[in-house]
Amino acid sequence: NAGVTQTPKFQVLKTGQSMTLQCAQDMNHNSMYWYRQDPGMGLRLIYYSASEGTTDKGEVPNGYNVSRLNKREFSLRLESAAPSQTSVYFCASEPLQGWIYTFGSGTRLTVV
Amino acid sequence: DAKTTQPPSMDCAEGRAANLPCNHSTISGNEYVYWYRQIHSQGPQYIIHGLKNNETNEMASLIITEDRKSSTLILPHATLRDTAVYYCIVRVEAAGNKLTFGGGTRVLVKP
Repeated sequence: NAGVTQTPKFQVLKTGQSMTLQCAQDMNHNSMYWYRQDPGMGLRLIYYSASEGTTDKGEVPNGYNVSRLNKREFSLRLESAAPSQTSVYFCASEPLQGWIYTFGSGTRLTVV
Repeated sequence: DAKTTQPPSMDCAEGRAANLPCNHSTISGNEYVYWYRQIHSQGPQYIIHGLKNNETNEMASLIITEDRKSSTLILPHATLRDTAVYYCIVRVEAAGNKLTFGGGTRVLVKP
């Protein structure tokens, strides 16, 4: 099925460990986004990529890095995980024309 | 992008219309009004959007006031599956112009 695929769906990390969250879309969308959602809160933008080869910081970029590997894939890396990064992470993509986001189903990350 | 104000929560009876208000009094002329919803921690789902005219699709209707300072999302016949958090967002349509989510309205549809 066409859409945005996030892996893994669940992850538990120890403080200080690193990991990469993967996101891939098969809709030929230009822009891709990473959000986090803490319990009971709205989504906050971490990083985004307006087009292949570009990335920019969002509202809460500290502690994260991103890579737009190609047009399909946009990964989010935690270099040294902290308990404050416990959250649900959503990836989204958007076509060049149409301006409608498609979201993935999320990665639930717990840092202990 | 202009900020929006929504009531934090509202209840609705199953089968009745749900009218969700949104205030965006500082909206500028090139900003669109978007509605998304999030069902129980799933990824947000697009519902509808508009600039100045009223819009309708298979999910909902969007009514935008003439001065564009407020809008109403209408779910014509709410079902239990419409229980979700609904987000009203205003944004300029441009590549990489991100969606900024506020707190939204938590809608509970009751039998």
